Amino acid sequence: SQKIEQNSEALNIQEGKTATLTCNYTNYSPAYLQWYRQDPGRGPVFLLLIRENEKEKRKERLKVTFDTTLKQSLFHITASQPADSATYLCALWTSGGYQKVTFGTGTKLQVIP
Amino acid sequence: DSGVTQTPKHLITATGQRVTLRCSPRSGDLSVYWYQQSLDQGLQFLIHYYNGEERAKGNILERFSAQQFPDLHSELNLSSLELGDSALYFCASSVDEITGGRETQYFGPGTRLLVL
Repeated sequence: SQKIEQNSEALNIQEGKTATLTCNYTNYSPAYLQWYRQDPGRGPVFLLLIRENEKEKRKERLKVTFDTTLKQSLFHITASQPADSATYLCALWTSGGYQKVTFGTGTKLQVIP
Repeated sequence: DSGVTQTPKHLITATGQRVTLRCSPRSGDLSVYWYQQSLDQGLQFLIHYYNGEERAKGNILERFSAQQFPDLHSELNLSSLELGDSALYFCASSVDEITGGRETQYFGPGTRLLVL
């Protein structure tokens, strides 16, 4: 069955460092992979999208990589700030027809001042 | 503010009851997606509507149903409620129809359902 794993439930890093979050999947051939940020009690907010034929995307301090051979996406936040503290979700979209999405369980990032 | 509105914000009901959750998409968005988020299951895709028609189904129970109206607002109906249905229910909207993965989804603030 399809499975998505995000590296850890929680990740603590020091302010100014680079946070790296992992999204691994099995039995899946996603067409698109998205990363979202979710704050407690609120809806997810879209951050970045990467397509299956792309290796890397960047947006300001954010970078996402996509390795379809390893079946893995890495999400990096450089020069992390306490305001980056939140839960980050990866979402995989199937290809073909009307697409369906599966979300990972999320990684809770805490940036310590 | 994403531009997506959901009502009510909170809902407390008893087992066996039926409730209706409402979602208004962003202006101009024709697609509405419904999701359920619980502590043990994470964020689960339920169903997708585009311009009034059902497009894709995810892990939606038979006790649940949805529809999208001509004015594009959508309702999620949950019946014969069980304790395990307690969760946050989100709707999200986007412009496009089938290429959901290419589009930014805008999530609403959610409806928190508690079944006692």
